Amino acid sequence: LAKTTQPISMDSYEGQEVNITCSHNNIATNDYITWYQQFPSQGPRFIIQGYKTKVTNEVASLFIPADRKSSTLSLPRVSLSDTAVYYCLVGDIHTGFQKLVFGTGTRLLVSP
Amino acid sequence: ETGVTQTPRHLVMGMTNKKSLKCEQHLGHNAMYWYKQSAKKPLELMFVYNFKEQTENNSVPSRFSPECPNSSHLFLHLHTLQPEDSALYLCASSQESGRAPYEQYFGPGTRLTVT
Repeated sequence: LAKTTQPISMDSYEGQEVNITCSHNNIATNDYITWYQQFPSQGPRFIIQGYKTKVTNEVASLFIPADRKSSTLSLPRVSLSDTAVYYCLVGDIHTGFQKLVFGTGTRLLVSP
Repeated sequence: ETGVTQTPRHLVMGMTNKKSLKCEQHLGHNAMYWYKQSAKKPLELMFVYNFKEQTENNSVPSRFSPECPNSSHLFLHLHTLQPEDSALYLCASSQESGRAPYEQYFGPGTRLTVT
């Protein structure tokens, strides 16, 4: 499974755009890139998933360059409720389900 | 989010006790997972069940015993635990559809304290 590296923490203010970059140099051909959000004492929640280029949903955008060795989660206009830990994961989808390996994540703190 | 439920939400047990954690998913998924999250540590995958068959055991000690009677229910039986087993135990499920996105839905977790 490809190892991921992301910043330990980030600070932002309400209304700003936040970009969290994840490095995954050893990503394999079959790996998808997935981001989860976790609040204290809760289970992680799926945010977005992509394979290449750009993916956008109602919550976030995911930018993946052509070499796929990194990815950037973009959160537009964050609010206080976006304070959480964000995990970047890569995993093989060949088996039909994804065995996820969580790293330490990025702790995002949004201030007023 | 009521798609994946876990009971109990909090559990305190002695090292000689036997208890079980229960997970139920109402999403029609075929894969279920147990994770452990200790304080200030990443989530650790413990077990994976796919169509009721265990497909992954991530070198988990035998004092943790999973059971998956059907695709909707998953149990984690606990016996003779150690204080270092105190953690948040999370259950998750996913659709084994062969088509992205492959997202896992997590339950709220059981906060376990071993005294």
